[in-house]
Amino acid sequence: GENVEQHPSTLSVQEGDSAVIKCTYSDSASNYFPWYKQELGKRPQLIIDIRSNVGEKKDQRIAVTLNKTAKHFSLHITETQPEDSAVYFCAASISGANSKLTFGKGITLSVRP
Amino acid sequence: NAGVMQNPRHLVRRRGQEARLRCSPMKGHSHVYWYRQLPEEGLKFMVYLQKENIIDESGMPKERFSAEFPKEGPSILRIQQVVRGDSAAYFCASSLGQGALGNTIYFGEGSWLTVV
Repeated sequence: GENVEQHPSTLSVQEGDSAVIKCTYSDSASNYFPWYKQELGKRPQLIIDIRSNVGEKKDQRIAVTLNKTAKHFSLHITETQPEDSAVYFCAASISGANSKLTFGKGITLSVRP
Repeated sequence: NAGVMQNPRHLVRRRGQEARLRCSPMKGHSHVYWYRQLPEEGLKFMVYLQKENIIDESGMPKERFSAEFPKEGPSILRIQQVVRGDSAAYFCASSLGQGALGNTIYFGEGSWLTVV
């Protein structure tokens, strides 16, 4: 089955700096890669996703890049703000099949004011 | 659209009791997923259901845990004879299950189970 790994497990940045969170996956058949943000005690919320037919997707301060050959994808947050502090989860699945999302273990992002 | 609705939000059970967690998917969604999250850990897949069918239960413990998604009514995750190790947040999620956006899943607010 699919195995998704996230590195590093924690990340601390200064407000205004950029943050990059990386994930690797094992199943080359996976073609759908979402990112979720979870604040303490809250539900995971989808912030951006990418499908394997594109290499990059951007939404305001957030972007995701995908390298299918290397089987890794990254979340980029620019101009970080304290409210970006949360746990971020990446996931992978096979679109169009009865396939569950497999999540990484999450990374705790801290934005220092 | 009310989103994915879970109840109860918080549940306290004594060891040996049963816990029942309910999930109503988003309107129009026919696919339901249950994930478990232990404190400061990731989201562990438990089970994936469509109406009246279990599609994938590879993450469900072999004993004491069961799930259903009947034709009418919410999905239910049932934990019998709870033990302290069952204490966790249980998140339900739903998706359309088909089409270009079929894999996009949306989470409910979670049910926090505490076993005392």
